Amino acid sequence: DAKTTQPTSMDCAEGRAANLPCNHSTISGNEYVYWYRQIHSQGPQYIIHGLKNNETNEMASLIITEDRKSSTLILPHATLRDTAVYYCIVYNYGQNFVFGPGTRLSVLP
Amino acid sequence: EPEVTQTPSHQVTQMGQEVILRCVPISNHLYFYWYRQILGQKVEFLVSFYNNEISEKSEIFDDQFSVERPDGSNFTLKIRSTKLEDSAMYFCASHSGTDTQYFGPGTRLTVL
Repeated sequence: DAKTTQPTSMDCAEGRAANLPCNHSTISGNEYVYWYRQIHSQGPQYIIHGLKNNETNEMASLIITEDRKSSTLILPHATLRDTAVYYCIVYNYGQNFVFGPGTRLSVLP
Repeated sequence: EPEVTQTPSHQVTQMGQEVILRCVPISNHLYFYWYRQILGQKVEFLVSFYNNEISEKSEIFDDQFSVERPDGSNFTLKIRSTKLEDSAMYFCASHSGTDTQYFGPGTRLTVL
């Protein structure tokens, strides 16, 4: 079973920031938090990952709480093309990914 | 930018037939995976492959399934005798060992 829990769905207005939460209270010290998204039935697309520190790249920002039990993915200016299912995954190298149901984000015009 | 490719994009087959799904992982990657996603359900792990052998497999990956890396570039998933319930999207993924997993676009398998 997935080690993460996420809201089933969220809406966000186009141009606004989308904040997607994830709980991973049983994460262990050497496990990373990864975020992927899946648009329609396409292959999962890597977004960002982190271990302890907050991370930012051209797609998103990842905020990890100090106790590492939860995190938030931030899409700073959501567009209609960001409508997708977003997966938060706890992962260590050498393991396979365990996907949960994810959060279905709908960006509304 | 390097990417994982998969062929065919859509495969239709009759129940009981054998199918081979093909993947070309990113060229310097060492770890290869197959996942599947039944319509409307979660992405599920099937098998991982490293150093020319299976590293891990799930309960789904029974004797009807096999994987192979026949040459230096392709990674294949074979289903010997397809069942209706094998209808799904099949995703190949690869990683270098120090990077994240990159997924292909998937093959939609339809078993009639």
